[in-house]
Amino acid sequence: AQSVTQLGSHVSVSEGALVLLRCNYSSSVPPYLFWYVQYPNQGLQLLLKYTTGATLVKGINGFEAEFKKSETSFHLTKPSAHMSDAAEYFCAVTLSGGSYIPTFGRGTSLIVHP
Amino acid sequence: DSGVTQTPKHLITATGQRVTLRCSPRSGDLSVYWYQQSLDQGLQFLIHYYNGEERAKGNILERFSAQQFPDLHSELNLSSLELGDSALYFCASSGYGHQNEKLFFGSGTQLSVL
Repeated sequence: AQSVTQLGSHVSVSEGALVLLRCNYSSSVPPYLFWYVQYPNQGLQLLLKYTTGATLVKGINGFEAEFKKSETSFHLTKPSAHMSDAAEYFCAVTLSGGSYIPTFGRGTSLIVHP
Repeated sequence: DSGVTQTPKHLITATGQRVTLRCSPRSGDLSVYWYQQSLDQGLQFLIHYYNGEERAKGNILERFSAQQFPDLHSELNLSSLELGDSALYFCASSGYGHQNEKLFFGSGTQLSVL
């Protein structure tokens, strides 16, 4: 079975600083990896996903993530944080040759200070 | 707007009662997923339907049941409610339930059991 670990339930950055949200996965077959964002009082929406091909994936709102198979990681980054980035971020995994049900991490709350 | 509609947005009820949560998927989507989000458990998969058929079950209690109707809307029925059932319940939809598809989430139903 697949699993996802998000390191840090809260990450605090200053506006304009680098954002780094960590995600490590566990699976026995090639994974498909997703990052979703949840703004207050809203449902989750997709930021970006990795299926096959290029390991550096660009998403919406300036976010990107890199799939590193050797490190079983899919960390989310953004060069410069904006106040509007404050939200809950979830990493999720499905399996290319197995379970299609997304398994989500516990989430990381991003706090952006002015 | 994700195109997924969930009603009601808020539900307050008492222990022992039964409630029904409703979800209308995005137009054209055949797949409906139900998730429960709580502070202690995170985002937990409950059940998945595809074109009216149950396809996968997750951590769904026997007191809970769901169905997907011919018009593809879905209902989640929660009975004999307990305090611990208080949570945010999300419905999500996708086209075909494939591993590489993103999910479109509704805004959720906040259930409070008093």
